[in-house]
Parts: sequence; C-alpha cells; structure tokens
Amino acid sequence: DGGITQSPKYLFRKEGQNVTLSCEQNLNHDAMYWYRQDPGQGLRLIYYSQIVNDFQKGDIAEGYSVSREKKESFPLTVTSAQKNPTAFYLCASSTLDSNQPQHFGDGTRLSIL
Amino acid sequence: QKEVEQDPGPLSVPEGAIVSLNCTYSNSAFQYFMWYRQYSRKGPELLMYTYSSGNKEDGRFTAQVDKSSKYISLFIRDSQPSDSATYLCAMSGQGNKLVFGAGTILRVKS
Repeated sequence: DGGITQSPKYLFRKEGQNVTLSCEQNLNHDAMYWYRQDPGQGLRLIYYSQIVNDFQKGDIAEGYSVSREKKESFPLTVTSAQKNPTAFYLCASSTLDSNQPQHFGDGTRLSIL
Repeated sequence: QKEVEQDPGPLSVPEGAIVSLNCTYSNSAFQYFMWYRQYSRKGPELLMYTYSSGNKEDGRFTAQVDKSSKYISLFIRDSQPSDSATYLCAMSGQGNKLVFGAGTILRVKS
C-alpha cells in the first residue's frame, strides 16, 4: 500500500535537546512538506522540498531544520532554538503538478518534558 | 485579515441532518480548492478536490466553489456519527503551496 509514514507517533523533548521526526513516502512524489498544527490555528508550513538536496523555508521555519538526501525521506529536526515546540507535526507529499493535492501522514505529537 | 477564514465551531447536529461547512478567502489567485477530513490524532484525509467555480458531488458530499464571492462550501447529506471530525478547507494558486483554514469541528449526535 502506498502512503506516508511518520514516526514516532509520540515524542518527548527535554529542555535544550534537539529531536528529529521521521517522514518516509513510497508514493514516488517529488514534493514533500512539513506542517505544524496547533489548536484553532490550522496548518502552518514549516519547510518544503521539491527535489533532492534542495528545500525552502515556509512561514514558520525558525527553530527547525530539514534535509532531503533521498526522494523518499524528509526528516524534520526541532532544535533547542524552537521555544514553543509542543504541537502536532504533519508531513505531506505531492507531485509537482499544480493541480494535484497533497497527501498526509498520521502525524507526530511532540511534547515538552 | 487571514487569507482563508473558517468558522471553528464546534458545530453539533443530529444524525441525518444536512451539514454546511464554509470558508471565505481573500486571494483571487486561488484556483484549486480542497476539503480534508481529520479524525482525532490522525492526519488530514483528502475528501474533495475542485478546480475553479462550480459543484462537485461524491456520494453524500458536495463541494461548491463561488469564485466571484470568494466562498467555498462543503455539504454533507444524511450526516452520520462517523462524520464527526475536524474539516479543513485548503486552497492554492499556481504552485503547490496550500493555505489552510483553521478547521471546523463537527459533531454528529446519534
């Protein structure tokens, strides 16, 4: 079955710690995205990538970093510089065609210890 | 003013009711319109996808786009308790960047 796999489902971060969220897709999509979801605020774009070894900042990139070494994988690191990291993080992918929608994984919930 | 406005609800209806969910937007460049359904602790699932103005029907769901009024709607007929979820509208212009509404929480009571 084709899809997007995010892991872990739940993650806890200590103060001053960096944590990495995994996102893997087997849909052969070129584009991948990371969103943050907070209650009542909808989804906000953190980073996106349209090709291997290239990525762009979204609307709220501060305190986050990404890499795109393989087409299938787009991990997100939440650094200690992100002062309010508690949120639900969603990964999505799509083709590069403007008329194709994005498909989402089931998210990772990050909390502070 | 946000680019996309969506009433957060919660919207509570009895089973079998017709549900109307709505979004307004300000960017006239938007031409692709989507509705996603999100269950608790899950990722959004694509429900409906439309291009430009008009209606699209899929089973109990109808998506409507009125570009002249910058207004989109999702209608759910014969609503079921399993329809209880958060519904997100999303839209884009050229390119793949989506802009999302805040989501409407729907509760269908049996």
